[in-house]
Amino acid sequence: SYVLTQPPSVSVAPGKTARITCGGNNIGSKSVHWYQQKPGQAPVLVIYYDSDRPSGIPERFSGSNSGNTATLTISRVEAGDEADYYCQVWDSSSDHFWVFGGGTKLTVL
Amino acid sequence: EVQLVESGGGLVQPGGSLRLSCAASGFTFSSYWMSWVRQAPGKGLEWVANIKQDGSEKYYVDSVKGRFTISRDNAKNSLYLQMNSLRAEDTAVYYCARMSYDSEDFFDYWGQGTLVTVSS
Repeated sequence: SYVLTQPPSVSVAPGKTARITCGGNNIGSKSVHWYQQKPGQAPVLVIYYDSDRPSGIPERFSGSNSGNTATLTISRVEAGDEADYYCQVWDSSSDHFWVFGGGTKLTVL
Repeated sequence: EVQLVESGGGLVQPGGSLRLSCAASGFTFSSYWMSWVRQAPGKGLEWVANIKQDGSEKYYVDSVKGRFTISRDNAKNSLYLQMNSLRAEDTAVYYCARMSYDSEDFFDYWGQGTLVTVSS
């Protein structure tokens, strides 16, 4: 089955840029989607199709995808961005089909 | 405004059954694939099952095949998950999620979830 690998944690100071990676075999050939989940809340879609933002998501959130790594970039990080972030792809060869990464805890210092 | 409201969770003994419901509003329910995604305590997200607009296609993660059944009632704008032969490892918050309209690649709206605890 297809595996998505994320770092367990990323820390960043307010106002700086956070980069959260999502690794997978030739992930650049797939569409990657990203979700933000704050404690006790449901996930929220923040990036879809690698780099598109849903309405209501700040422009500070951006995404890229190439080779074996997709990246979620959060510019000018704010305290309110502290959350768990999950990447996700659709993979027809996986028993899970809709595959999630293990999640990354973003800590704002 | 899109709203998804789950219900039906609770404490159940191993081997028992539970039926989850999801009430949808704010969009044309019958036009979308719908899914269930779960999250074990302190763990990540796991897709469980999804169903086509008319119910003619259903997909399940291997670990629940033969035990869980997803269904929908478009007249009632409702999604269901019948869970039988429950195991401790099924303990999780279960989220109802709407799938993207054009390609069903991702989940664009989520409910708040309902907790299922399987324990004796």
